[in-house]
Amino acid sequence: QKEVEQNSGPLSVPEGAIASLNCTYSDRGSQSFFWYRQYSGKSPELIMFIYSNGDKEDGRFTAQLNKASQYVSLLIRDSQPSDSATYLCAVLRDSSYKLIFGSGTRLLVRP
Amino acid sequence: GAGVSQSPSNKVTEKGKDVELRCDPISGHTALYWYRQSLGQGLEFLIYFQGNSAPDKSGLPSDRFSAERTGGSVSTLTIQRTQQEDSAVYLCASSSTSGNTIYFGEGSWLTVV
Repeated sequence: QKEVEQNSGPLSVPEGAIASLNCTYSDRGSQSFFWYRQYSGKSPELIMFIYSNGDKEDGRFTAQLNKASQYVSLLIRDSQPSDSATYLCAVLRDSSYKLIFGSGTRLLVRP
Repeated sequence: GAGVSQSPSNKVTEKGKDVELRCDPISGHTALYWYRQSLGQGLEFLIYFQGNSAPDKSGLPSDRFSAERTGGSVSTLTIQRTQQEDSAVYLCASSSTSGNTIYFGEGSWLTVV
């Protein structure tokens, strides 16, 4: 079992819709959770991080964390074609330095 | 500098040659990371530095890989006797404290022919 699991996609949504990206992790000791966006041929770009159970909103993005169920999700409201990219979930264990990445979900927003 | 700087941005080398990849982290960042990403794959952790020391080298794929960091700043990742399977983009990242928000450089694209 991988430490961080994501559906590879592609997830295809129409422009203006809500895109929902999910991630599960195996280590219950994980404390910090990050979402990165990676455009083709580019390096990952930090979108959001979340530490506490519940929702965290930043503009069109909402991160949701449920530690009991060991999943973290990212919602993108009013999706735009420019949101088309691969979204990487990353998890940091308590008292650790090693950020473990999932393999990413490819999102395609159709105009 | 303003961001993480990596060089070279692209490198084509012949199988069996050695290569050096350089990373200049964000000024003041004490933590530095190297990751590798093969085409269409996720990020593979290679090594982490806190200051000049590397407490965890377990991610290095083989003994052909080594890394050092001097002066708590610039880091060099060296791959000896390169193989075709080493072809990937090598990403460097830094953060102000261990495990805090990590920022990536643009990567060094390595092709071994």
